[in-house]
Amino acid sequence: GAGVSQSPSNKVTEKGKDVELRCDPISGHTALYWYRQSLGQGLEFLIYFQGNSAPDKSGLPSDRFSAERTGGSVSTLTIQRTQQEDSAVYLCASSPTGFSGANVLTFGAGSRLTVL
Amino acid sequence: RKEVEQDPGPFNVPEGATVAFNCTYSNSASQSFFWYRQDCRKEPKLLMSVYSSGNEDGRFTAQLNRASQYISLLIRDSKLSDSATYLCGGDTGRRALTFGSGTRLQVQP
Repeated sequence: GAGVSQSPSNKVTEKGKDVELRCDPISGHTALYWYRQSLGQGLEFLIYFQGNSAPDKSGLPSDRFSAERTGGSVSTLTIQRTQQEDSAVYLCASSPTGFSGANVLTFGAGSRLTVL
Repeated sequence: RKEVEQDPGPFNVPEGATVAFNCTYSNSASQSFFWYRQDCRKEPKLLMSVYSSGNEDGRFTAQLNRASQYISLLIRDSKLSDSATYLCGGDTGRRALTFGSGTRLQVQP
């Protein structure tokens, strides 16, 4: 596609429910990133996928968070047993190859998650 | 200590003013740095890359000071449309960009 597509754009859920957030990167981009941004805060790194390499999961805040990337394209971020502190905008980004000084990230519009 | 730190601001400046932001990083092995611009309730978009030799794009100039481990962004002749949050990002030794919390700029008429 022309850009990074994320869905849903808005999600309201009840505490304790599971949610899935989807990211469709730019066609041909091999690297995919998930960040989250709480109100008025910067971007918090969550997870990074690069081709067939093992993902860098070092930013996932707890074992309730997981992500997968199928076929080297679409990615799904899953949050189990959501808590109110999970409320944030979840941003996905992609880049042509693995991160380097020559490659920049293109972000999607984000999925705004509200946990009641 | 955060890996990438920024003054959150806000910086309130009149139109036409020159304003500068700094961003410090803690990992001396970091190689690549960028400035992103984020408008309210929008996704971040790349503003410019930061090179050791400096990088200028119109009214915007970015600099990297490796000795002191900071990067800077200078905006000359500020426009109302420059009002946004400016995020600096660096590789900080991991494979994905680490971002600062952003500096908010408000240009006033």
